[in-house]
Amino acid sequence: QSALTQPASVSGSPGQSITISCSGGSGDVGFYNDVSWYQQHPGKAPKLMISDVNNRPSGVSDRFSGSKSGNTASLTISGLQTEDEAHYYCSSYSSSNTVIFGGGTLLTVL
Amino acid sequence: QVQLVQSGPEVKKPGASVRVSCRASGYTFAAYDITWVRQAPGQGLEWMGRISPNNAEFQGRVAMTSDTSSRTAHLDLSSLTHDDTAVYYCVRGSRPNGLDVWGQGTLVTVSS
Repeated sequence: QSALTQPASVSGSPGQSITISCSGGSGDVGFYNDVSWYQQHPGKAPKLMISDVNNRPSGVSDRFSGSKSGNTASLTISGLQTEDEAHYYCSSYSSSNTVIFGGGTLLTVL
Repeated sequence: QVQLVQSGPEVKKPGASVRVSCRASGYTFAAYDITWVRQAPGQGLEWMGRISPNNAEFQGRVAMTSDTSSRTAHLDLSSLTHDDTAVYYCVRGSRPNGLDVWGQGTLVTVSS
């Protein structure tokens, strides 16, 4: 199965908001409300930031929010902070009973 | 404290096999599946599969086992190639997606 499509990079200034898109198909993002987002800093394990499209696990800042429209999911980070600079990966449950990841997006906070 | 602690780095030759272990603590091991995810150097995440407690799954070169008595999951990968060089993560999850607790990762290097 093909990976979900994410932009390779996005950037923003401290205090601004950014959105990262994640495009899939009718057998994954478009069909299931089971999209997650992970943050990964260099040399560290990923961290779950959003599950089930828009659910924030305990301890995750409310500056992070998720949404979905059709075959595309989105992660929005408001009030950008320097510590938000990291790679972000989306993932979706798929009709083949597996999970597909996106290729990842590098967020740079200028 | 909920945590998954993985075994140390491995260096293997092409054609060899490797076992990566993942010991859980701080939660009811039998209540969650373990998912394996790998990440090649400089690349993205790849979902490999998941195993329910006290079960075993075999998918080609990959074998996943889980033992509730030792609270440990194992990933066995055989007939290694250079493309298997990656960091392997074990991850806790009650479902295939939305994985909330990650191990620290185990670097497997396949080199001749």
